[in-house]
Amino acid sequence: GENVEQHPSTLSVQEGDSAVIKCTYSDSASNYFPWYKQELGKRPQLIIDIRSNVGEKKDQRIAVTLNKTAKHFSLHITETQPEDSAVYFCAASSLSGNTPLVFGKGTRLSVIA
Amino acid sequence: NAGVMQNPRHLVRRRGQEARLRCSPMKGHSHVYWYRQLPEEGLKFMVYLQKENIIDESGMPKERFSAEFPKEGPSILRIQQVVRGDSAAYFCASSDRDSPQYFGPGTRLTVL
Repeated sequence: GENVEQHPSTLSVQEGDSAVIKCTYSDSASNYFPWYKQELGKRPQLIIDIRSNVGEKKDQRIAVTLNKTAKHFSLHITETQPEDSAVYFCAASSLSGNTPLVFGKGTRLSVIA
Repeated sequence: NAGVMQNPRHLVRRRGQEARLRCSPMKGHSHVYWYRQLPEEGLKFMVYLQKENIIDESGMPKERFSAEFPKEGPSILRIQQVVRGDSAAYFCASSDRDSPQYFGPGTRLTVL
């Protein structure tokens, strides 16, 4: 089955700096890679996703890149703000057939003002 | 357009009791997924259901746990004879065909 590894487990950045979180996956059949942000005590919130037919997707300060050959994908947050502080989870699945998400273990991002 | 609803938000049970968690998917969504999250850990898949059908229950323990998504009403995750190790946050997510999964607010189960 699919296995998703996520690094780093914790990340501290200064406000205004960029943050990068990396994930690798094992199943070449996976073709859908969402990222979720979870604040303390709250639900995981979808912030961006990418399908395997594109290599990069951007939404304001957030971007995701995908390298299918190497089976890794990354989340980039630019101009970080204190409200970006949260736990971020990457996940992988096959969108066709609505297969369950396999999650990484999460990255706790702290943005220091 | 209401999002995914879960209730109760907090549930306290004593060992040996039953816990019943409910999930109403987002309007128009017919796929429901249940995930469990232990403190300081990621989300682990438990079961995937469509209306009246269990599609994939590979992540759900064989004993004490069951799930259903009836034709009418919410999806229900049932845990019988709860033990302390069942204490966790249980999230459900819903999707439409080929759409992202959106999560509910979760039910935090505490077993005393």
